[in-house]
Amino acid sequence: GENVEQHPSTLSVQEGDSAVIKCTYSDSASNYFPWYKQELGKGPQLIIDIRSNVGEKKDQRIAVTLNKTAKHFSLHITETQPEDSAVYFCAADYGQNFVFGPGTRLSVLP
Amino acid sequence: NAGVTQTPKFQVLKTGQSMTLQCAQDMNHEYMSWYRQDPGMGLRLIHYSVGAGITDQGEVPNGYNVSRSTTEDFPLRLLSAAPSQTSVYFCASKGIGGYTFGSGTRLTVV
Repeated sequence: GENVEQHPSTLSVQEGDSAVIKCTYSDSASNYFPWYKQELGKGPQLIIDIRSNVGEKKDQRIAVTLNKTAKHFSLHITETQPEDSAVYFCAADYGQNFVFGPGTRLSVLP
Repeated sequence: NAGVTQTPKFQVLKTGQSMTLQCAQDMNHEYMSWYRQDPGMGLRLIHYSVGAGITDQGEVPNGYNVSRSTTEDFPLRLLSAAPSQTSVYFCASKGIGGYTFGSGTRLTVV
């Protein structure tokens, strides 16, 4: 069935360091992989996405990589700042619906 | 542009009571959905709709009903609340830019 795994479940980094969150998906038919950031008390917000016809996409300090053969995709945050502290969700688009990973709680320590 | 609006933000119900969670979007999106968020389990799809008059079940539909009489509105009904339905509920609509989530409803069933 459709499944998205996400690791780690929690991640603590020092301010200025990099953070990496990894996801795997089960169905090779998926072609769109978004990442969402959820701050406390708010709904998830899209921060970056990637489609299956590219291997990497960057937006300032955030990048996403995709390995379709291995069915892996990762979120990379460089030069982390306290405002990056949040829960991050990966997702895979299986046609009509997204399937979300269980989330990663990122804490950026000053 | 308000995006996706959910009401109420907080609700406490007694076991067996019924209620409706409201969701409205002003982006003219055909697709709308309801998710519940529980610790360690990410976002699980309850019901979704691909247009007015069309609804379908997601991963965890039991205990919930939906209807879609207009493009803008997609209410979620709990017919007889149970403690297992204590959760945070998110409504989302999907357009070209991916999902837009509401700010959530925190429901406690005692």
